[in-house]
Amino acid sequence: RKEVEQDPGPFNVPEGATVAFNCTYSNSASQSFFWYRQDCRKEPKLLMSVYSSGNEDGRFTAQLNRASQYISLLIRDSKLSDSATYLCVVNMDFNKFYFGSGTKLNVKP
Amino acid sequence: NAGVTQTPKFQVLKTGQSMTLQCAQDMNHEYMSWYRQDPGMGLRLIHYSVGAGITDQGEVPNGYNVSRSTTEDFPLRLLSAAPSQTSVYFCASSSAGEQETQYFGPGTRLLVL
Repeated sequence: RKEVEQDPGPFNVPEGATVAFNCTYSNSASQSFFWYRQDCRKEPKLLMSVYSSGNEDGRFTAQLNRASQYISLLIRDSKLSDSATYLCVVNMDFNKFYFGSGTKLNVKP
Repeated sequence: NAGVTQTPKFQVLKTGQSMTLQCAQDMNHEYMSWYRQDPGMGLRLIHYSVGAGITDQGEVPNGYNVSRSTTEDFPLRLLSAAPSQTSVYFCASSSAGEQETQYFGPGTRLLVL
């Protein structure tokens, strides 16, 4: 079983749509969680950290459910520029980061 | 402030050859890591370091060596390249602390024939 699992997609949505991604992780003792964005053939870049109480950054909302060991990312009012692969990242053991395989999002006009 | 730099950007090797992938950061970060990314898979941790002189293995360490003699540099060595090591390699660094952001280099694309 993979340490961090994501639906690979692709999610094909029209501009303006709301889309949600989920990610599950295996280690219940994991302490910190992140969503990264990766554009084609580029390095990953931090989108947002995920806090226990949930957090929002503009059109993006991240939530953590420790009991069920999953995190989610909600994107509202999708833009063409949101098209990318979204990587779920879990810090499981003192700066050992485990990555999901990524969920691909295509936002279409 | 260059952030995280990696060289080379591209490399073609023959099976059995050795090489070193370079990684440097100028942010005085304690933590540095090496990942490989294969098609359809996320990034997998090869080796990581929590400070100069300290390294440890990640998920997929076999076939790779690392050392950390300075805070700035964290080279990755392939001792005897194999076709299975064809991949994109990313180096990352971060400060201490669980919520600290990882900053990635632009990657090295390696093809082993």
